[in-house]
Amino acid sequence: SQQGEEDPQALSIQEGENATMNCSYKTSINNLQWYRQNSGRGLVHLILIRSNEREKHSGRLRVTLDTSKKSSSLLITASRAADTASYFCATDGTGANSKLTFGKGITLSVRP
Amino acid sequence: KAGVTQTPRYLIKTRGQQVTLSCSPISGHRSVSWYQQTPGQGLQFLFEYFSETQRNKGNFPGRFSGRQFSNSRSEMNVSTLELGDSALYLCASSLLTIDYEQYFGPGTRLTVT
Repeated sequence: SQQGEEDPQALSIQEGENATMNCSYKTSINNLQWYRQNSGRGLVHLILIRSNEREKHSGRLRVTLDTSKKSSSLLITASRAADTASYFCATDGTGANSKLTFGKGITLSVRP
Repeated sequence: KAGVTQTPRYLIKTRGQQVTLSCSPISGHRSVSWYQQTPGQGLQFLFEYFSETQRNKGNFPGRFSGRQFSNSRSEMNVSTLELGDSALYLCASSLLTIDYEQYFGPGTRLTVT
């Protein structure tokens, strides 16, 4: 079963607006990662935040992590039509031989 | 550096047949993971190989198997195909260091009729 659960499942915004996506998880993690997938293609890594970090930026992306609430959010500022894609959070657990566990994803549509 | 490649990109099989999918990781990456992606179940982990050894396995029946070769290339095999096996099969490679990220291939779209 998926460790991460994203919210909302779908999001539709106008170009230029900000998009905020949330992810909740259940167990202790080493890090949390966000990936993007364009329709029917492979996933692309966007950003990684470690369990001892609270906020990280990369270009128009801002990710926060609250380990006490077991939640993360991804903010895309000044969205573009090219940001239209599915976004997944993935958690890397703390156990030996841990693996990345992905959520079901959020579908973001950016209207031009 | 060349990215992760998967072959074939598209495949149509009939129920009961078997299929083998191939994945070539990024040069230097020794970890290869396989995922099944369907609209209903999302992205589900199949297995992970590191240095020719299975390091992790998901909750899939024994019909799903994999292996990794000494050059880190990996194959997965599905025997006795069922309609429900229709999916996008994604392969990802990584360095498997602390805070590793995965690099995904474009996937193989398998349709079982």
